[in-house]
Amino acid sequence: GQNIDQPTEMTATEGAIVQINCTYQTSGFNGLFWYQQHAGEAPTFLSYNVLDGLEEKGRFSSFLSRSKGYSYLLLKELQMKDSASYLCAVTINTPLVFGKGTRLSVIA
Amino acid sequence: NAGVMQNPRHLVRRRGQEARLRCSPMKGHSHVYWYRQLPEEGLKFMVYLQKENIIDESGMPKERFSAEFPKEGPSILRIQQVVRGDSAAYFCASSPPTSPYEQYFGPGTRLTVT
Repeated sequence: GQNIDQPTEMTATEGAIVQINCTYQTSGFNGLFWYQQHAGEAPTFLSYNVLDGLEEKGRFSSFLSRSKGYSYLLLKELQMKDSASYLCAVTINTPLVFGKGTRLSVIA
Repeated sequence: NAGVMQNPRHLVRRRGQEARLRCSPMKGHSHVYWYRQLPEEGLKFMVYLQKENIIDESGMPKERFSAEFPKEGPSILRIQQVVRGDSAAYFCASSPPTSPYEQYFGPGTRLTVT
């Protein structure tokens, strides 16, 4: 079966840095996505990693290690609007296989 | 360029009724995916369609659920004889033909079965 694990909840302070981890055990791998989802809204694309290493995009960075089945999403200079669920998803064939998401609460 | 459109946004059905969920992909996108999100659960893949073809329906329950993406018009996810366990958010995503991994999500349809 496919297994994607991420912490259920995290809390961090405005202005700080937070790292959300994701580990996966899947029967194949074609890439890893991170999505942001605010309550009651659609997931929105944040990043896509297919090769090992760090991808940086503004305040958000995503890291992948295929040999370890591990990724993290790094959020810098946290803002209150970053309070949301962050979804890790793996592509095996074409459909995305999602983890349950990490609910991040940013506090003042 | 309009994003992925879904309607209705909210749908209430009594047990035993039929639910029809519609999805219009982004302009130029010919691939459509349906996902279901149960409360406190992750998004689960249901079905992947291209125009007039079902490519992968491995995530769809064998009974009561069907999906289509006709040559003209939106993709339809149909749930017959709904039960309380079907209450969930149903998201549609679309991708361009050259980049199937580049999936853009619609706002979802929240189905409540009473």
